[in-house]
Amino acid sequence: EAGVTQFPSHSVIEKGQTVTLRCDPISGHDNLYWYRRVMGKEIKFLLHFVKESKQDESGMPNNRFLAERTGGTYSTLKVQPAELEDSGVYFCASSQGDQGAPDGYTFGSGTRLTVV
Amino acid sequence: GQNIDQPTEMTATEGAIVQINCTYQTSGFNGLFWYQQHAGEAPTFLSYNVLDGLEEKGRFSSFLSRSKGYSYLLLKELQMKDSASYLCAPESYNTDKLIFGTGTRLQVFP
Repeated sequence: EAGVTQFPSHSVIEKGQTVTLRCDPISGHDNLYWYRRVMGKEIKFLLHFVKESKQDESGMPNNRFLAERTGGTYSTLKVQPAELEDSGVYFCASSQGDQGAPDGYTFGSGTRLTVV
Repeated sequence: GQNIDQPTEMTATEGAIVQINCTYQTSGFNGLFWYQQHAGEAPTFLSYNVLDGLEEKGRFSSFLSRSKGYSYLLLKELQMKDSASYLCAPESYNTDKLIFGTGTRLQVFP
């Protein structure tokens, strides 16, 4: 079974530019999550999709961040315009259904975003 | 509010046993996950506790006390490959999201 895949693995962009991160969850997983780890801090929740619907976007930092999941398959997270404080590792995770599914949430390897 | 507290760093010797403690305060709680994360890699699932008590899975065990807001991860027969960060993550009740601590970086020495 393919895991959660994210790309790019690394991205370096200039302040003010736009970047789009992509996440392909495990096939059949309805739940898709975005998390972010800013250097030196804990991993923090950004938002949660159930299929194509945003279930919870309480962690999105501001309106420069836009997440979509058209068709309920892969998801994109766009940052426009990027600021220096957006630098960090963006993780995507997916899960099958109920809370605490036996194997938990499966994480991707993350996209390391550096804004210069 | 939400607060997770775990030691920042720990060291141990190959073959030894180490216990990583985690205390948490969350506004709603469903269960607690432990994840392992090697540098530059994805966090990988280790354990999930919903009920109080000890869950054993090979060399790794996890304990939960809901009333005390306390969990620990126990690693036995340590191997060099166990050097990694260990993330304690309570699951928020009814919102399906994980709340992470900063993680404990474990270094295993020969």
